Amino acid sequence: QQQVKQSPQSLIVQKGGISIINCAYENTAFDYFPWYQQFPGKGPALLIAIRPDVSEKKEGRFTISFNKSAKQFSLHIMDSQPGDSATYFCAASVTSGTYKYIFGTGTRLKVLA
Amino acid sequence: KAGVTQTPRYLIKTRGQQVTLSCSPISGHRSVSWYQQTPGQGLQFLFEYFSETQRNKGNFPGRFSGRQFSNSRSEMNVSTLELGDSALYLCASSLPARTTGRIQSLVNYGYTFGSGTRLTVV
Repeated sequence: QQQVKQSPQSLIVQKGGISIINCAYENTAFDYFPWYQQFPGKGPALLIAIRPDVSEKKEGRFTISFNKSAKQFSLHIMDSQPGDSATYFCAASVTSGTYKYIFGTGTRLKVLA
Repeated sequence: KAGVTQTPRYLIKTRGQQVTLSCSPISGHRSVSWYQQTPGQGLQFLFEYFSETQRNKGNFPGRFSGRQFSNSRSEMNVSTLELGDSALYLCASSLPARTTGRIQSLVNYGYTFGSGTRLTVV
């Protein structure tokens, strides 16, 4: 019940295309869903995050869509660029005094020039 | 503003040895968490410290331990190293933005990760 399932494992997108990464969770106590971007040799960096009281959050070319009833959320990268090539992790957390994230297994995105 | 600093960046140890990794959080951040990242298991939570107290612990053996100092800096220690301990160890700091009444409720603004310590056990 603590798992966060992420798909696909890898993704290849043409420059200018839309990259979509999906995550699903079971624990309905989760109330914070961040996405992290990781480049080789670096730690993950917070990209965008959402709480379950909204269905969508957009920041620049990055959008999170959240479906509370289906317990699913996804990251959409619009106008994908080669510089977006990285590994993306979704995560889920309960914000009730504990700072423990459950991470998805990651998606390796490659954007072709 | 300086980010999360982890030292050393790379480390090679022999089986059976012990190792100590260090993490300096962003100034003002009082919560420090540690994660182990491996290709097979992904990012696995080790433990979280807040105000020098361990608040949460993941499913790792007792060989993995940590502590936090009064200046919020944190260390983690792995004793009796095994080959399977080879991983990238990531430290993350965060800022508790609000407390609610008598119960400390941490508003989750998201982690800031360091670049990690790459530990290789041979």
